[in-house]
Parts: sequence; structure tokens; C-alpha cells
Amino acid sequence: EVQLVESGGGLVQPGGSLRLSCAASGFTFSSYWMSWVRQAPGKGLEWVANIKQDGSEKYYVDSVKGRFTISRDNAKNSLYLQMNSLRAEDTAVYYCEAGFDYWGQGTLVTVSS
Amino acid sequence: SYELTQPPSVSVSPGQTARITCSGDALPKQYAYWYQQKPGQAPVLVIYKDSERPSGIPERFSGSSSGTTVTLTISGVQAEDEADYYCQSADSSGTYGVFGGGTKLTVL
Repeated sequence: EVQLVESGGGLVQPGGSLRLSCAASGFTFSSYWMSWVRQAPGKGLEWVANIKQDGSEKYYVDSVKGRFTISRDNAKNSLYLQMNSLRAEDTAVYYCEAGFDYWGQGTLVTVSS
Repeated sequence: SYELTQPPSVSVSPGQTARITCSGDALPKQYAYWYQQKPGQAPVLVIYKDSERPSGIPERFSGSSSGTTVTLTISGVQAEDEADYYCQSADSSGTYGVFGGGTKLTVL
């Protein structure tokens, strides 16, 4: 059974940092482009970043460039998102996505003082 | 930045056919994917590569493509199909992801 389990969300003050993790199982993690997608409360889905199978290519939506870093560890079947200089507008449920096929259940990030 | 355009809402009666469109300049070059999302739940893939249906998805869900527009068709709509639907694709280079704004399907 395919599983993607996100963790690391929580409440953080503006300007703070969080590191999200996504543990993958049930499929060949190292064969997939992986992405982070977020959904602000009551809003639509927004693609945030993706990373190639071997980690050699990474791409970001303009609003997070220079603040967020996507990474992966294929030996641990894990995906990460380091989020720095967080803003109120980063408040959202963050999902990890494998290719276009599989999604996790999401982890909530709330940026508020 | 690249955008995909969907209608904000579509309404149909049970048993009718719902069609949800998604338009974008790069769609002739990049595949589209459709997701169903119900309140409080993660998105579920219902169509991949424009017109392929994953296992476990009812046959009433289908997809098609014509030029810069892709269409999700739900034939014989059921009450359980009421949800938000999103298209996803990539820019012309295939590196940056993008979602449509979402369409709320209401079953009258």
C-alpha cells in the first residue's frame, strides 16, 4: 500500500522556521519526481516546489524562492521542505506529492504571532 | 507566470453530465491531471495524462483534450461526486508545476 506521511507542521511566529518531512512507502521513491503542494484555508491548491529523482534539479514557485529549500534522501525514502523567514501568507496545509499519482494527508503550518 | 483557468463552479442535477474545463497555453505540450477533493480530505487523482483513468475510479469519469483546453467529464453524476475539482499540469518547459483555481461541482 502506498503511503506518504507528512510531519513537522505547527504554529510558528512570523520570521521563524520549520522543517517538514514526508515519509514514503509502498512504491519506488527514488523513481519519482517529488513535490510539495499547499492549500491555504478555504483556498485552492498551490504548487510550491519539486525535486528530480536524484535531487539534481529543484524548482520553486516565485513566492517561496530564497526562503524554502526542498531536499530528499532516497536511502530513507524521505522528502523534506525547509521553510525559513515564514510569513502569514505561508499558512496552509502542506502536502507531499509523488509524481502526479500519490498524495499524503497533509500537515498544517500556521504562521502567526 | 503560467496559469491554468477553470470555471469557479458547475451545477448539474443527478444523472446529468458535468463538464469541467481547464485552459492553458502549454496544454498542447504538457499532460493534464485531474483531482477530486472533498472537504477536509486530501486530493484524489481521477484522471491522469489527459484521459487515463486510475484503477478504482468509476467509469463515469473521463478526460479529453483539444488544443489549449482539457475537459473532465462526469457522466451520470451522483450526489457523491459533489466536490472541488482541480486540474494540474506543468509549464512549457515541464519543470514548474501549476494548478487551476478549482471548480466546485454542485449536485442539485
